[in-house]
Amino acid sequence: SAVISQKPSRDICQRGTSLTIQCQVDSQVTMMFWYRQQPGQSLTLIATANQGSEATYESGFVIDKFPISRPNLTFSTLTVSNMSPEDSSIYLCSVEQGEQYFGPGTRLTVT
Amino acid sequence: GENVEQHPSTLSVQEGDSAVIKCTYSDSASNYFPWYKQELGKRPQLIIDIRSNVGEKKDQRIAVTLNKTAKHFSLHITETQPEDSAVYFCAASIVSRDDKIIFGKGTRLHILP
Repeated sequence: SAVISQKPSRDICQRGTSLTIQCQVDSQVTMMFWYRQQPGQSLTLIATANQGSEATYESGFVIDKFPISRPNLTFSTLTVSNMSPEDSSIYLCSVEQGEQYFGPGTRLTVT
Repeated sequence: GENVEQHPSTLSVQEGDSAVIKCTYSDSASNYFPWYKQELGKRPQLIIDIRSNVGEKKDQRIAVTLNKTAKHFSLHITETQPEDSAVYFCAASIVSRDDKIIFGKGTRLHILP
């Protein structure tokens, strides 16, 4: 099974600022996924990140708002840019390795 | 794109009784259907999954059924226990295309003493 860590675990940010979330996996994986889970809601896929290529974004999510890096097969970052209170959410990274594993999440509060 | 509908949104059952959660999916190419359990403040955890070449799968008190023709799959929990209280998500994926998993909206299951 894949072991996934995320940093930070939580943060409180002011509107207009940006936050970069890091995701580290203990083994090499081809694809990494970034999800958002708003309070009391389901998980919504933001984008799929492949190493060596640009991330693929889902409808409603754009690269300018959620730039993603994938420098190697064990690491990825998601930046939430120019934040507003509507961005307050839990952000989870995920990998597929026989089954889908999730990181512990980053709880973001925007004031 | 893929869409997954899940019902009910909330379910309360007496301890010891059975719980059933139902989902439908839109993309007929979907071939992998996992179910996740999420306890408060924790990450989703896979509890059972089924692939499109199988109609039913069982693991102790948990079973999943799949009807490909109707694009419908269900989770069955028998002899429910207090620790089954959680939010359950169904999901659908197209393995070997992009592997991305699309989630249903979730069912909050309450086990009543």
